Amino acid sequence: DTGVSQDPRHKITKRGQNVTFRCDPISEHNRLYWYRQTLGQGPEFLTYFQNEAQLEKSRLLSDRFSAERPKGSFSTLEIQRTEQGDSAMYLCASSFPGQASGANVLTFGAGSRLTVL
Amino acid sequence: GENVEQHPSTLSVQEGDSAVIKCTYSDSASNYFPWYKQELGKGPQLIIDIRSNVGEKKDQRIAVTLNKTAKHFSLHITETQPEDSAVYFCAASYYGNNRLAFGKGNQVVVIP
Repeated sequence: DTGVSQDPRHKITKRGQNVTFRCDPISEHNRLYWYRQTLGQGPEFLTYFQNEAQLEKSRLLSDRFSAERPKGSFSTLEIQRTEQGDSAMYLCASSFPGQASGANVLTFGAGSRLTVL
Repeated sequence: GENVEQHPSTLSVQEGDSAVIKCTYSDSASNYFPWYKQELGKGPQLIIDIRSNVGEKKDQRIAVTLNKTAKHFSLHITETQPEDSAVYFCAASYYGNNRLAFGKGNQVVVIP
């Protein structure tokens, strides 16, 4: 198992363009999360999937953002009509709520950094 | 929602000394408190966590203490080494809630 993989690692785009990020979670993890991290801040929750169902969405996830996990494995996060304020690191995490501790331990990927010019 | 605050924002320590980072949380329902370490260009990595039914947990040079009454928890790193230099994030949530609320992070610099 190679952990949580994210692609691309870096994306530079012009304002108004659409971008898509992909996340491949740890294979046995049924929960998948997207977080956003801006410079000097901690990660902020965007959305959460259990298998293919999107169960929670933050108010940060505007109408221009859409996330999918069609087969309960990999997930995509699409941002339409990007704005300069979308520039951030987009982190994906996965978990399997069955750890011996009972806690929902998140394993993060390295992130996809978006720069909107 | 939960609000987590971290202090200080930057901490410089001499190699071999101890480092302590403190976090406060607002929601008394929170019962799970993980600490993550983030190195440059990498995602956050869990280093230790504690549940509210435990007051202290230790793993080699790292320990976390929890004071539920005061709603604060702290990360203690002893015998610091240069590889401990990173940004450390505390977080809080409660079982059944899938959102981790993170603090803003502490930059720890270990001076050789």
